[in-house]
Amino acid sequence: TQLLEQSPQFLSIQEGENLTVYCNSSSVFSSLQWYRQEPGEGPVLLVTVVTGGEVKKLKRLTFQFGDARKDSSLHITAAQPGDTGLYLCAGARDDKIIFGKGTRLHILP
Amino acid sequence: DSGVTQTPKHLITATGQRVTLRCSPRSGDLSVYWYQQSLDQGLQFLIQYYNGEERAKGNILERFSAQQFPDLHSELNLSSLELGDSALYFCASSEGAWKSGELFFGEGSRLTVL
Repeated sequence: TQLLEQSPQFLSIQEGENLTVYCNSSSVFSSLQWYRQEPGEGPVLLVTVVTGGEVKKLKRLTFQFGDARKDSSLHITAAQPGDTGLYLCAGARDDKIIFGKGTRLHILP
Repeated sequence: DSGVTQTPKHLITATGQRVTLRCSPRSGDLSVYWYQQSLDQGLQFLIQYYNGEERAKGNILERFSAQQFPDLHSELNLSSLELGDSALYFCASSEGAWKSGELFFGEGSRLTVL
């Protein structure tokens, strides 16, 4: 069983459209991180959310932490081809930092 | 550039062989983490070291071992290699024992076992 479930697994949309991807768990996390990974590279940290209900914005990306601190979402406004990549959520559990399997996002020009 | 250096970038070897992957963390980071990434399993946590000592262990096989040296670089040793060990192996580092999951990753070592 995956502790952090990400959905959808794959998403392919046209440039300019909006999208939301999700990271869900049955467990409470003290914080969650979102990373983006491009082919041939390691994951790069985008943001950390700590407080239940917290919303953080990074240009066209909006990250939200659920009130119960069990889930998070990433919303992208007006997606661009440069947003293409694998989006991973991560959290600390039992002294380990675990990752979801990710959402593979492809933005079509 | 994350500041984390991994070598080699690519490695092709045969079943039954042994390989060593090397990682230099960001300057000042005391923790090193090793992850295995495959298409079907995603990023799987293997092991973490903090300032030379093992801190946390994940799904690391007995055929695999790691260590962190006094200069804080780390090595992951993979032995009796099997076809299923083919994957990307990532090293990451962080300043403390862990800092809320904020890790800095290297570019990975792609291992192919034939």
